Parts: sequence; structure tokens; C-alpha cells
Amino acid sequence: SQQGEEDPQALSIQEGENATMNCSYKTSINNLQWYRQNSGRGLVHLILIRSNEREKHSGRLRVTLDTSKKSSSLLITASRAADTASYFCATAGANSKLTFGKGITLSVRP
Amino acid sequence: DTEVTQTPKHLVMGMTNKKSLKCEQHMGHRAMYWYKQKAKKPPELMFVYSYEKLSINESVPSRFSPECPNSSLLNLHLHALQPEDSALYLCASSPWTGAVETQYFGPGTRLLVL
Repeated sequence: SQQGEEDPQALSIQEGENATMNCSYKTSINNLQWYRQNSGRGLVHLILIRSNEREKHSGRLRVTLDTSKKSSSLLITASRAADTASYFCATAGANSKLTFGKGITLSVRP
Repeated sequence: DTEVTQTPKHLVMGMTNKKSLKCEQHMGHRAMYWYKQKAKKPPELMFVYSYEKLSINESVPSRFSPECPNSSLLNLHLHALQPEDSALYLCASSPWTGAVETQYFGPGTRLLVL
């Protein structure tokens, strides 16, 4: 069963613009992770934010977590054509599983 | 070495064949995972091994048989598969802290069952 639900399902932006993706979940979590997947390939871990953290940065990535609203957002600043991919949020709870959302397709136009 | 390798990259098999998928990591991770991913869908967890023991089986049909011969290797044995089993099979590994940490994924094996 899916825990995270990303929003929007698809996003198309111009190179240089910022991309914001949202994820909502239903049950309590230990951490929330964001992954990127280029077409038909393996997933690449982007960032992990723990339940007691509110914001994390990694390069051009900024992740926020609001446990009261059970939501997270991923901001990619100054997007590049190479950022074109599918992005998944994944929640880690007490059941030793990582549960993925449906994913967001990001297209960055050159 | 922060890489998870998977072989083969592509596999075509008939419904009566027996084949195996292989996964290897040398990061010292004690948790390893098999996921199945259909096109335009998220990965679905199949199996979790922690310290070479099967800890989670997500009610996967017995035609899929996992094996963890040692802490670096994970196999998935396939037998009598159905066409609907065609998918991308992803292996992942992570440190085992009792909680789910960052998972490192291999490139996957794209399986086609005829």
C-alpha cells in the first residue's frame, strides 16, 4: 500500500526556474526520503529528513517536513535539463519498510 | 565503493524457464531488498533480508524465491513466471539500524516473460 502521495503528478518548467514538489502521508514516520529515477533506471537517493527535523538542504535541494500536517516538500532551485526525471517521496515507519508514493514526473525544458 | 550491481541488465524468459537475478554490494550493509516496479508505478517491496535472514516477505508468490548466500550477495530465483511478472526488478541495500535508513539501489534487471 502507498503511504506517500505526491503533488502534482507532473510538472513542466523552464530551465533556471525552481521546482516544488509536495508529498503527503498518512501515518507516523521515523523519516521521509526523496529519490530520483531517470527513465527505466535505478533510484538515486536525494535526501533524508528525520521526524524531529523541519528543514534540510543539500546543494540545490531543500526539503521541509511538517509532521503536524503529515506533509513534506522538495524544492529544486535553478533547475537544469538534467533534473528531468521521476521523483518519489518515501516514508519509513516502525515496520522496517520504505513505502513509496506514486511519484512526480518533472520535465525541465532547455 | 558505494555501488550496488545487478545482473543481468535484461532478461527474457519463457513461462517454463528457471532463471536467477543477482545483486551485489560491498558497502558492508546488512539489509538488502528486492523491489518490483511496473512502468510508471512506484517500486513495490517484495523481500527484506537483515543479517542474511529473511525478515519481510510481502506475500510474494512462491514462483519468486529469494536467497542471501552472504552479506554481500542477494539472489532472486525465478520459476514458472507469468507474463504479468514482466517488470523492472530492483535490488537495494542499506545499513541496518533497526529503522529504515537511506537505501542504495542497483540499476535493475528488466525482465520480460513471454
